[in-house]
Amino acid sequence: GAGVSQSPSNKVTEKGKDVELRCDPISGHTALYWYRQSLGQGLEFLIYFQGNSAPDKSGLPSDRFSAERTGGSVSTLTIQRTQQEDSAVYLCANGLAVGTDTQYFGPGTRLTVL
Amino acid sequence: SQKIEQNSEALNIQEGKTATLTCNYTNYSPAYLQWYRQDPGRGPVFLLLIRENEKEKRKERLKVTFDTTLKQSLFHITASQPADSATYLCAAMDSNYQLIWGAGTKLIIKP
Repeated sequence: GAGVSQSPSNKVTEKGKDVELRCDPISGHTALYWYRQSLGQGLEFLIYFQGNSAPDKSGLPSDRFSAERTGGSVSTLTIQRTQQEDSAVYLCANGLAVGTDTQYFGPGTRLTVL
Repeated sequence: SQKIEQNSEALNIQEGKTATLTCNYTNYSPAYLQWYRQDPGRGPVFLLLIRENEKEKRKERLKVTFDTTLKQSLFHITASQPADSATYLCAAMDSNYQLIWGAGTKLIIKP
């Protein structure tokens, strides 16, 4: 497709379960970012990927969070042993390359941990 | 720490008037600032970028200014319309090529 897509759009899970969130980026956009947005808050950077370079994981809040990007394309954000404070909207964004101007966002996945 | 601050209170503007939103940054000097629009249930959409050596940038009814002395960017929407109602986010890139985001200002344009 022409834009960034994310799935699922909504995810409700029970505390302690693992979840996987998926991002399908724009073809040819080598920079991929994951952000978390809590209600009324700004975007919190989690991780970014740039081509085949090692990802910058400095924003991941705990070792329960991890992300992969296969073949420089699709990315998966995994949250293990979810906690209620993990409830938020998780946004994926693409850019032509890290440090370039514009980021193109997907619609987000709303995660609710009961 | 590097911070981006936006007015957290919603801004109510009468249709047809100019809406002005403020973004302040502290503890660093970004090479450029970006403004995005976010509608409920959607990801942010890029609007404008202004570089540190530019004082003003325009796009249709939108205008952004960048004052490196005041460490501030202003975002203006002229002849505002109810369809302009949304949350507007300011972001600036830090030295690690990560965007630091403000929390956004909700703009409400009343008919």
